[in-house]
Amino acid sequence: TQLLEQSPQFLSIQEGENLTVYCNSSSVFSSLQWYRQEPGEGPVLLVTVVTGGEVKKLKRLTFQFGDARKDSSLHITAAQPGDTGLYLCAGSASFNTDKLIFGTGTRLQVFP
Amino acid sequence: DVKVTQSSRYLVKRTGEKVFLECVQDMDHENMFWYRQDPGLGLRLIYFSYDVKMKEKGDIPEGYSVSREKKERFSLILESASTNQTSMYLCASSHGGAGNTIYFGEGSWLTVV
Repeated sequence: TQLLEQSPQFLSIQEGENLTVYCNSSSVFSSLQWYRQEPGEGPVLLVTVVTGGEVKKLKRLTFQFGDARKDSSLHITAAQPGDTGLYLCAGSASFNTDKLIFGTGTRLQVFP
Repeated sequence: DVKVTQSSRYLVKRTGEKVFLECVQDMDHENMFWYRQDPGLGLRLIYFSYDVKMKEKGDIPEGYSVSREKKERFSLILESASTNQTSMYLCASSHGGAGNTIYFGEGSWLTVV
């Protein structure tokens, strides 16, 4: 069974700080996605990475897919209270399926 | 605007009851999914469907069944609800192929007492 482990599980920081969330697996994924989920809502896709070593930027968020396509990281620069939420990574097991394996999640709280 | 709609946001059911969770998408997506979300466990796939009348078991199908009679509708059925099925249930849909955007509904909070 493929597993995705996220760390840290919880993160509480002050506005303006930087942070990194990690998503690790012993398995190779064809693609990896990051979602953010706010209380009472479903997850919303932030980014998809498909190439080993790929780096994508979304404003203050930087996503990286590991060279071996087994791990990923999400870096937030100058965090803001609006970044608060549950961050989930999800890996696709093969190129022919949308069946995703989700990580356990990182709950981020950014205080003003 | 794309939309996945789950008919019930909050339900309270008794042990042994039959429970239906309904999900409708308006994007003509081929794929539909049911997940449950529990603290510390992330999202776990219960069942998914790639086409009408087609279904495949996910990682935790025990105690659940599904129905997809129409492309836009995917129902999750708990034949005999148990307290360990108390959870948040998320429906999702997508076009076929890896890496495509998966759209989630807002979730259904089910409490079994």
